[in-house]
Amino acid sequence: GAVVSQHPSWVICKSGTSVKIECRSLDFQATTMFWYRQFPKQSLMLMATSNEGSKATYEQGVEKDKFLINHASLTLSTLTVTSAHPEDSSFYICSAAMSTGQAEAFFGQGTRLTVV
Amino acid sequence: AQSVTQLGSHVSVSEGALVLLRCNYSSSVPPYLFWYVQYPNQGLQLLLKYTSAATLVKGINGFEAEFKKSETSFHLTKPSAHMSDAAEYFCAVSSNDYKLSFGAGTTVTVRA
Repeated sequence: GAVVSQHPSWVICKSGTSVKIECRSLDFQATTMFWYRQFPKQSLMLMATSNEGSKATYEQGVEKDKFLINHASLTLSTLTVTSAHPEDSSFYICSAAMSTGQAEAFFGQGTRLTVV
Repeated sequence: AQSVTQLGSHVSVSEGALVLLRCNYSSSVPPYLFWYVQYPNQGLQLLLKYTSAATLVKGINGFEAEFKKSETSFHLTKPSAHMSDAAEYFCAVSSNDYKLSFGAGTTVTVRA
C-alpha cells in the first residue's frame, strides 16, 4: 500500500513553454502533498505544500507564479512549470501524506525536467 | 525550526565492511527522523523511521539506526556492506506535519 505515482518520469521541453507534472496517490487519500526540487548532486529542497481544496503554501524564494500547484482532489496534485527556462531543469519529486498518523509522507519516483 | 546535518558527503567502504553514516538533528519539538536511499534518477526509498517508539530502529536491507536524544544523533549502520548499497543516502527530520528537512546527503561507494 501507500503508493505515489508521478508522471511523467522525464520530460524535455523548449524554453518558454509550460510543463505539467502529476502526482497521484494510488491507494490512499492524501490530504497534503509536497513538492521538492533536487539539483544534481544536491539535496532535496521543499518548494511548496499543497492541501486539497486550498491554495498551496510556498517556501521562501519559490516563485508561485512560475510554479503553479493545484491540489484539486484527495489523490491528485499537479505542478506546472510555466514559461520554463534552462535554469528550471531539475529533478522534481512529490510526496503525499495520509490524513491519519503514519508520521510519514510517501514519495513519488520523481520527474526529470530538461529545458532546452 | 528543524534541520539535520550529515557528517561526511562521501563514504567509501569495502564489501563486507561496516557502513556508518552520521546524522545529527536540531529540533525544537520531539522529532520524527528518517533515512532514505536514492539511486540515480530515482525517487526516495524509505530505509527506516523513528517516531518516538523504540530508540533502536531496524529497517530494510539490513540497515538500522539508533536515536540518541542526548547526542541529538540518528546514525545509520549496516554490519556488512553489499555492492548494491552504493547509492545516495539522506537523513531527514520532521515534526508532526509531514514536511521534511533533508540533510545534504552522503554518497556511499562500495569497493569490491
